[in-house]
Amino acid sequence: DGGITQSPKYLFRKEGQNVTLSCEQNLNHDAMYWYRQDPGQGLRLIYYSQIVNDFQKGDIAEGYSVSREKKESFPLTVTSAQKNPTAFYLCASTIGGLRRNTEAFFGQGTRLTVV
Amino acid sequence: AQRVTQPEKLLSVFKGAPVELKCNYSYSGSPELFWYVQYSRQRLQLLLRHISRESIKGFTADLNKGETSFHLKKPFAQEEDSAMYYCAPLAGSSNTGKLIFGQGTTLQVKP
Repeated sequence: DGGITQSPKYLFRKEGQNVTLSCEQNLNHDAMYWYRQDPGQGLRLIYYSQIVNDFQKGDIAEGYSVSREKKESFPLTVTSAQKNPTAFYLCASTIGGLRRNTEAFFGQGTRLTVV
Repeated sequence: AQRVTQPEKLLSVFKGAPVELKCNYSYSGSPELFWYVQYSRQRLQLLLRHISRESIKGFTADLNKGETSFHLKKPFAQEEDSAMYYCAPLAGSSNTGKLIFGQGTTLQVKP
């Protein structure tokens, strides 16, 4: 099956700890994205990557970090600097490259709760 | 700056009533626009794209460049249409690759 897989589905973290959310795709897509979804605030872009070994900050990058060492993987680390990390996180991908105006595919999401 | 506005957080209608979910955009270049839908406990997925001029599940959306709008419409709402809807534009040649979405509108169709 082609698609995007996020893991884990639920994640609990203690305050002060960093945590990494996994996002893997086997669609051979160049571009990948991380969003945060909060009630009433829609989808807010955290980081995005158009190509391996390159990524850019989105609108709410503070307290987050990413890496793009492989085309199929785009892990997101929520650091202790993120003031309000409890949220639902969504990963997405598009074909990217010169064909930028194409459909985005989404993972099932990871619900992070800070306890 | 790129901006997408969905002015309604919640839209509640009765079954059989017409539905219009509003989307306005501010964009440089010529955008392509999409509507995405998130049903309960399902992943976000594409509903339709303006370039295809298609009707999906009875929904249509027309790009109005003069009003910079891309409203989603359906003449007769069904209960299964209840979901979260997101508008998303992508620019043409000026696109930086940044994929942004509107704030989303929750559509509630009552029996």
